[in-house]
Amino acid sequence: QKEVEQDPGPLSVPEGAIVSLNCTYSNSAFQYFMWYRQYSRKGPELLMYTYSSGNKEDGRFTAQVDKSSKYISLFIRDSQPSDSATYLCAMSANAGGTSYGKLTFGQGTILTVHP
Amino acid sequence: DAGVTQSPTHLIKTRGQQVTLRCSPKSGHDTVSWYQQALGQGPQFIFQYYEEEERQRGNFPDRFSGHQFPNYSSELNVNALLLGDSALYLCASSLGSGFGPSTDTQYFGPGTRLTVL
Repeated sequence: QKEVEQDPGPLSVPEGAIVSLNCTYSNSAFQYFMWYRQYSRKGPELLMYTYSSGNKEDGRFTAQVDKSSKYISLFIRDSQPSDSATYLCAMSANAGGTSYGKLTFGQGTILTVHP
Repeated sequence: DAGVTQSPTHLIKTRGQQVTLRCSPKSGHDTVSWYQQALGQGPQFIFQYYEEEERQRGNFPDRFSGHQFPNYSSELNVNALLLGDSALYLCASSLGSGFGPSTDTQYFGPGTRLTVL
């Protein structure tokens, strides 16, 4: 079993839709959670990070963490064609853990927003 | 402010050869991590360098080695290339000291696409 599971999709939505992307994890030592966006043939770009349960909002993006269920989500409101990319969740067991600095990624979800 | 840079952009090698990839971290960062991303997969952690030493290593064989220079730039070396080494190799930089977001927030470069024939 992988430490981080992410539905690879692909996910196709119309412009303006609300998009929900999800990851589950099995390692309870993970304390720090990130979402990256990766355009084709480019490096991952950091979108959001959080290290506590609950919601964090940044513009059209909301990151949600539920540590009790080992489940994280990224919501995109009013999706745009420019949001079309692969979205990767990533986690770290930092803050004193032995996995200091190492990021563990999900497989990535391919999102297409069509006009 | 320059972000993370990597060279070369693309590379084609044959099985058995050796390759060296290079990375310059984001200004102000002192830690470099290397990841391998196979097609359709998420990045896999290879190792991390801080203060010119390998601080942590993922599940990769000894054919994968690295180096960090005093100016914090880094090299990834892969010996005895296999077909399965074909992937996008990503470098990420961060701050190495302290705890929490300052150290876990890693910024990625554009990657080097390696093809092994």
